[in-house]
Amino acid sequence: DVKVTQSSRYLVKRTGEKVFLECVQDMDHENMFWYRQDPGLGLRLIYFSYDVKMKEKGDIPEGYSVSREKKERFSLILESASTNQTSMYLCASTGGTGQTQYFGPGTRLLVL
Amino acid sequence: DQQVKQNSPSLSVQEGRISILNCDYTNSMFDYFLWYKKYPAEGPTFLISISSIKDKNEDGRFTVFLNKSAKHLSLHIVPSQPGDSAVYFCAASLYNTDKLIFGTGTRLQVFP
Repeated sequence: DVKVTQSSRYLVKRTGEKVFLECVQDMDHENMFWYRQDPGLGLRLIYFSYDVKMKEKGDIPEGYSVSREKKERFSLILESASTNQTSMYLCASTGGTGQTQYFGPGTRLLVL
Repeated sequence: DQQVKQNSPSLSVQEGRISILNCDYTNSMFDYFLWYKKYPAEGPTFLISISSIKDKNEDGRFTVFLNKSAKHLSLHIVPSQPGDSAVYFCAASLYNTDKLIFGTGTRLQVFP
């Protein structure tokens, strides 16, 4: 059974803090993705990774960075959190081109 | 620039009736389309997909129709059930990529 887990369901941080969001998948998938979901905007791709230590910018990478040191783990980093980064963050993975993306449960981040 | 659009933010349907969710896209190079369903506080789950070489795909109560000339796809749910109440996202991808472009979502409410 496919499983994507995210380290926190809810997170409250202060402006300027460094924030780490972790995602782990147990399906040996090569591709992993970070999205944010905002009302009226749908899901927007922040960063994705096709392999360990590889990363590519998505549609809204500004203010974010990522790390993929191991195949199963993909971390999203907010170097200096700002209030406009308050959002629902979703991680997904897929085994290859044309395959379904499997999502984690999401992390709801509030930046005060 | 929203390449995938869901113009109806919400839809309310009586149980047992048909639900029709619509999605329009602008990029004629999209060749694979998907529908995801999302409950509150959960990640999206894959529902059904269609390749651009087809115009219809059916899976139980769910049918997706693709009209390439109109750049339009729709999801039909027959009969609708209260458990179908969720937010539905359509998504599209380009040939040989894993990157998905999501629409803004339609909130479906099925009432008894």
